[in-house]
Amino acid sequence: DTGVSQDPRHKITKRGQNVTFRCDPISEHNRLYWYRQTLGQGPEFLTYFQNEAQLEKSRLLSDRFSAERPKGSFSTLEIQRTEQGDSAMYLCASSLVLVFGNEQFFGPGTRLTVL
Amino acid sequence: ILNVEQSPQSLHVQEGDSTNFTCSFPSSNFYALHWYRWETAKSPEALFVMTLNGDEKKKGRISATLNTKEGYSYLYIKGSQPEDSATYLCAFTSGGYQKVTFGTGTKLQVIP
Repeated sequence: DTGVSQDPRHKITKRGQNVTFRCDPISEHNRLYWYRQTLGQGPEFLTYFQNEAQLEKSRLLSDRFSAERPKGSFSTLEIQRTEQGDSAMYLCASSLVLVFGNEQFFGPGTRLTVL
Repeated sequence: ILNVEQSPQSLHVQEGDSTNFTCSFPSSNFYALHWYRWETAKSPEALFVMTLNGDEKKKGRISATLNTKEGYSYLYIKGSQPEDSATYLCAFTSGGYQKVTFGTGTKLQVIP
C-alpha cells in the first residue's frame, strides 16, 4: 500500500457543473476525512466516516456537497452546481482510530478550479 | 465550534536562527495534539503526536511541548535551514468521536 490516493489531482469546471472526487485510503484504516483548504488557511473539516458510517458533517457544508463511503473503503465527494467559491484544494485523510493518537495520513489533494 | 489558533501566521528567519511557534486549543475534552509539516505541492506530513500533559517530542532539530491544562503547544526549530520552509499545522483531537480541528498554520520561510 502506497498511502492515500486521490483522483483527479486537478479539476477545472464551469460554474453550475457537478464534480466528483475520489479518495482511496490506506487499506486497513477505518476513518476517512474530507477537508477543504483555501489560500492562506489550514484544512477546514468537511466530513468524516468511520467504516461506511458518516459520523459528522460540517455545518459549514451546503446541501450541494455530499460524500459517500459505500463499502467502508474508498470515498467519493460530490459537489453539485459548482460555484466559484468552491474553488479550493480538497484533501482526504485516513486513520486507524484505535491506534495511539489517531494520526491522519493525507492524500495529495484534488485542486478544483471553478470558472 | 472548537477554536484552534496558531501564531504567528507567518515568519521569516535567517538560516541558522532558532524559532518557535504556538498552537492554542481548548483545554477541555482533550485527546491528542498533532503537528504537521506541509510543504507546497505536497501532502501534510505528520511530525509529532502528543497525548499527555507535559509531553515533549523531538525529531532532529525540531521539538514540541504540550500543556493540556492551559491548552497550548510549542514547536521549536533549532538552527533553521532553507529546507525547513513550509507551513506548520497543529491539529487538536477531542475525546469521544475524536473530531480533528486544524489551526490555520504558521508559514515559515528560512532565508539562506
